[in-house]
Amino acid sequence: QVQLVESGGSVVQPGRSLRLSCAASGFTFSNCGMHWVRQAPGKGPEWVAVISHDGREKYYADSVRGRFTISRDESKNTLYLQMNSLRTEDTAVYFCAKDLGITWSEGQRYFDHWGQGTLVTVSS
Amino acid sequence: EIVLTQSPATLSLSPGDRATLSCRASQSASNCLAWYQQKPGQAPRLLIYDASNRATGIPARFSGSGSGTDFTLTISSLEPEDFAVYYCQQRDRWPPITFGQGTRLDIK
Repeated sequence: QVQLVESGGSVVQPGRSLRLSCAASGFTFSNCGMHWVRQAPGKGPEWVAVISHDGREKYYADSVRGRFTISRDESKNTLYLQMNSLRTEDTAVYFCAKDLGITWSEGQRYFDHWGQGTLVTVSS
Repeated sequence: EIVLTQSPATLSLSPGDRATLSCRASQSASNCLAWYQQKPGQAPRLLIYDASNRATGIPARFSGSGSGTDFTLTISSLEPEDFAVYYCQQRDRWPPITFGQGTRLDIK
């Protein structure tokens, strides 16, 4: 079965960096678009970024563009989110999520499997 | 950016009742809308995609309808496990992919 396991969340000071990881298993990772979605305490989900199956296409929310970078390592079946210049408003649980579509070209930008999330707290 | 507005913010019903949740888009989202259920401490769970298609394993009491700017999630007869927060999400004009602010379904 599909499993997504995030790691790397912690407490960091504003302006610092952090890298999140998401280990994927149970499906053909190299076929699927992958996302990061975050959820601040008591708020709804907020889409952060997506990467195509082959890593060639990357898209970001305005709130993180230029500070966050999404990447993937097919050899490790792992998704990453490099977060730089962190702000207090980046505090949230960060989920990795799999595209619904079997292939990127289907355009099914929905999230059919999610990890359990990893908490990032940005505070001085 | 398509802004999604959900109503009501809170819905209080009893098991066995019919629930009707609304999601309105600020501009046409075609039929490119999904619904998710989220329980405390858990990730969201995909229920409906492309406005009316049930995701794998979702019970038939959940149904979705609508297109353009007005969408509805209906739960035909509430089970105790259905009390949760529900979110809509659009993929028509992205980036960004956007979510609504949620409807909390409480036990009356």
